Amino acid sequence: AQSVTQLDSQVPVFEEAPVELRCNYSSSVSVYLFWYVQYPNQGLQLLLKYLSGSTLVKGINGFEAEFNKSQTSFHLRKPSVHISDTAEYFCAVSPSNFGNEKLTFGTGTRLTIIP
Amino acid sequence: NAGVTQTPKFRILKIGQSMTLQCTQDMNHNYMYWYRQDPGMGLKLIYYSVGAGITDKGEVPNGYNVSRSTTEDFPLRLELAAPSQTSVYFCASSYVGTDEKLFFGSGTQLSVL
Repeated sequence: AQSVTQLDSQVPVFEEAPVELRCNYSSSVSVYLFWYVQYPNQGLQLLLKYLSGSTLVKGINGFEAEFNKSQTSFHLRKPSVHISDTAEYFCAVSPSNFGNEKLTFGTGTRLTIIP
Repeated sequence: NAGVTQTPKFRILKIGQSMTLQCTQDMNHNYMYWYRQDPGMGLKLIYYSVGAGITDKGEVPNGYNVSRSTTEDFPLRLELAAPSQTSVYFCASSYVGTDEKLFFGSGTQLSVL
């Protein structure tokens, strides 16, 4: 079984400042990694995913994440945040030889942008 | 483009009542899922379906039932509502079941009092 840890439950950031949301995972097999975003009163939307290949993954809205196998991390970054980035962000992991039914979500990080 | 549609958006139930949460998708996706989201917790999978007529349990299936008679619809049934089922419920779908992104509905906020 795999697990996901998002250590920061809340992250306040000033507008136009950079941000990093941390995600660490644990798994005994190779994994796929995902970041989803949930805007207020909406369902989750995929930001980006890592399946294989380049460890730096670029997603929508200027976000990117880097897969670090040795540190079992998949941190999400954005160089300059906007008010519209206020949302909850979920990291998720699934074993690469199973389907989405094995997808495990983290507890989420609430990103608040301060004007 | 409707995507995944869930109804109702809000519902209050009394203990012991039953209800059905509706979920419809218009993307011709084979895979559909029901999750619950509790405060401070990640999403937990309740049930999923890989196609019409085929369903299977997820991580937290107790107290729920599902059916999948068509590709489009995947209703979730609560037979005897309990306070522990107070949660936000999300339906999701995907075209294939592996490494494919999930499309989520906007959720149903359910309170059992």
